[in-house]
Amino acid sequence: EAGVVQSPRYKIIEKKQPVAFWCNPISGHNTLYWYLQNLGQGPELLIRYENEEAVDDSQLPKDRFSAERLKGVDSTLKIQPAELGDSAVYLCASSLGLGEADTQYFGPGTRLTVL
Amino acid sequence: QKEVEQDPGPLSVPEGAIVSLNCTYSNSAFQYFMWYRQYSRKGPELLMYTYSSGNKEDGRFTAQVDKSSKYISLFIRDSQPSDSATYLCAMRKVKAAGNKLTFGGGTRVLVKP
Repeated sequence: EAGVVQSPRYKIIEKKQPVAFWCNPISGHNTLYWYLQNLGQGPELLIRYENEEAVDDSQLPKDRFSAERLKGVDSTLKIQPAELGDSAVYLCASSLGLGEADTQYFGPGTRLTVL
Repeated sequence: QKEVEQDPGPLSVPEGAIVSLNCTYSNSAFQYFMWYRQYSRKGPELLMYTYSSGNKEDGRFTAQVDKSSKYISLFIRDSQPSDSATYLCAMRKVKAAGNKLTFGGGTRVLVKP
């Protein structure tokens, strides 16, 4: 079974430019997460989707970040405009969303460098 | 103060030694505890998943949870160079409170041949 797929794996942009990341979750996983991981730190949740509904976006900086999950499968995370401090790894994770023992599986991440 | 604290390391051990990792936390609402392994330039991979206090063993890995002390541990027996990675603890509350994982900062482990 394929895992969580993310693209691109690496992205280098200049500040003030827009950037978008794409995630394809594990087949059948209803819940999708976007995390931000700064160097030497653990991942921090940006947004969580249950199917196509964003149920927790309290940590998403909405002035420049946006996300969508049309049709409840693939998801896109966008930053516009990017700032130097946005350089980090953006991780996508998915889970079945069922039961207390629900387990999150992570993709390889997109490493963003803002110059 | 962070909700979950983890020593960043690096922790360097010789091959075959026992690796001992731990995290402390402050929120007593955490009920589910996980350890993830993250290789360089890869995403976190789930190693162990435990609920509430107690021990759980899986091959060379043993996870311990002590809720009274708000302290969790991961032990790796007979460590191998392939165990060299960053180990992240993570925890969450009951599902009704949301499915958000709160991670520690990770401990970098180096197993020397």
